[in-house]
Amino acid sequence: KAGVTQTPRYLIKTRGQQVTLSCSPISGHRSVSWYQQTPGQGLQFLFEYFSETQRNKGNFPGRFSGRQFSNSRSEMNVSTLELGDSALYLCASSLGSYANYGYTFGSGTRLTVV
Amino acid sequence: AQTVTQSQPEMSVQEAETVTLSCTYDTSENNYYLFWYKQPPSRQMILVIRQEAYKQQNATENRFSVNFQKAAKSFSLKISDSQLGDTAMYFCAFMKHKGISNFGNEKLTFGTGTRLTIIP
Repeated sequence: KAGVTQTPRYLIKTRGQQVTLSCSPISGHRSVSWYQQTPGQGLQFLFEYFSETQRNKGNFPGRFSGRQFSNSRSEMNVSTLELGDSALYLCASSLGSYANYGYTFGSGTRLTVV
Repeated sequence: AQTVTQSQPEMSVQEAETVTLSCTYDTSENNYYLFWYKQPPSRQMILVIRQEAYKQQNATENRFSVNFQKAAKSFSLKISDSQLGDTAMYFCAFMKHKGISNFGNEKLTFGTGTRLTIIP
């Protein structure tokens, strides 16, 4: 079956602009989480969505937001981009059921802010 | 809050040898999961192995096995008969167990990673 699909793979934006990243989870997975990966801060949790509701949120400013659609696809948005937002953004999906088997990750979107 | 520590930033080993990656964690939780993920240059995080804290038996997946010491809060990964394709960043991660009535998933807390190079 298809894995977690993230689009686009690469993105270059100018400081002050906004950006939207997309994630399509594995079919049947209802939980989608987003992580930011940078050389300095490592992997940090952004937020998690289940059944179109944000269930958990990390320590990021309000410029970072997300949503989940009825088909479980998710988008994250970053407004007023800063140079420090340059990172690899990883999406991960899971069943979200009681039996927790961990996450399956996508290949990420590499965002560069110039 | 949980913390995960990987004290070996880089390691290298000859092909076919055995290598052990270290991971320690700190938590006040009693029920949780521990994972090892591999991130090759392709960037995708790949699940290597998973351990449930309530299980005393160490998890094994083919050439990969763990040494889980709950009291010591240690979770090391052993790779046997290492192969060139094992070259990657390896991340140890912690996730607390969510309650039976909770939906969704808990977040993963990652260590800083160990860059493993397999030398031909």
